[in-house]
Amino acid sequence: EAQVTQNPRYLITVTGKKLTVTCSQNMNHEYMSWYRQDPGLGLRQIYYSMNVEVTDKGDVPEGYKVSRKEKRNFPLILESPSPNQTSLYFCASSSDRVETQYFGPGTRLLVL
Amino acid sequence: AQSVTQLDSQVPVFEEAPVELRCNYSSSVSVYLFWYVQYPNQGLQLLLKYLSGSTLVKGINGFEAEFNKSQTSFHLRKPSVHISDTAEYFCAVSRTGFQKLVFGTGTRLLVSP
Repeated sequence: EAQVTQNPRYLITVTGKKLTVTCSQNMNHEYMSWYRQDPGLGLRQIYYSMNVEVTDKGDVPEGYKVSRKEKRNFPLILESPSPNQTSLYFCASSSDRVETQYFGPGTRLLVL
Repeated sequence: AQSVTQLDSQVPVFEEAPVELRCNYSSSVSVYLFWYVQYPNQGLQLLLKYLSGSTLVKGINGFEAEFNKSQTSFHLRKPSVHISDTAEYFCAVSRTGFQKLVFGTGTRLLVSP
């Protein structure tokens, strides 16, 4: 089954404790993105990747890092999380710049 | 830079009634337009998209949208809604040839019996 998986689905952590949210797709897609969803703000793009080792900033990259060492994986790294990073995070992938983006189920993060 | 405005944060409607969810965008260049739906506790899935060609686009679950370049709008419509259409709907725009998607703030559709 074609899908985008994210882990963990729920995470509670404390300020400053480094964490990684994994994202994996099994569709051989070149393009992958990370978004955060906040009430009243919709989804905002954090980072995106056009291929292995090619990443670029989205609208809200501060406080986040990404890497794309393999085509299928695109982890999101929070080196020093802060409470304003409490949010719902979605990973997405697509096969082409104009193609449909396929979204993962989301990771709900709470930073205390 | 592109931006998307969804004027209605919430739209209540009775089952079997028609509905229109409004979306306006601003961009000085050609764009692609999308509508995504998010059911409770789920990720987003594509309803429909406009890339080029016919301005009336049909999507899944009986939804359709019309691209109006002069009014920079891409409103979503359904002639008769079901309880199962209760969800949040997001309009999104991307500049042609670029991967970056800009989303609106979403419209919550509430369908009651």
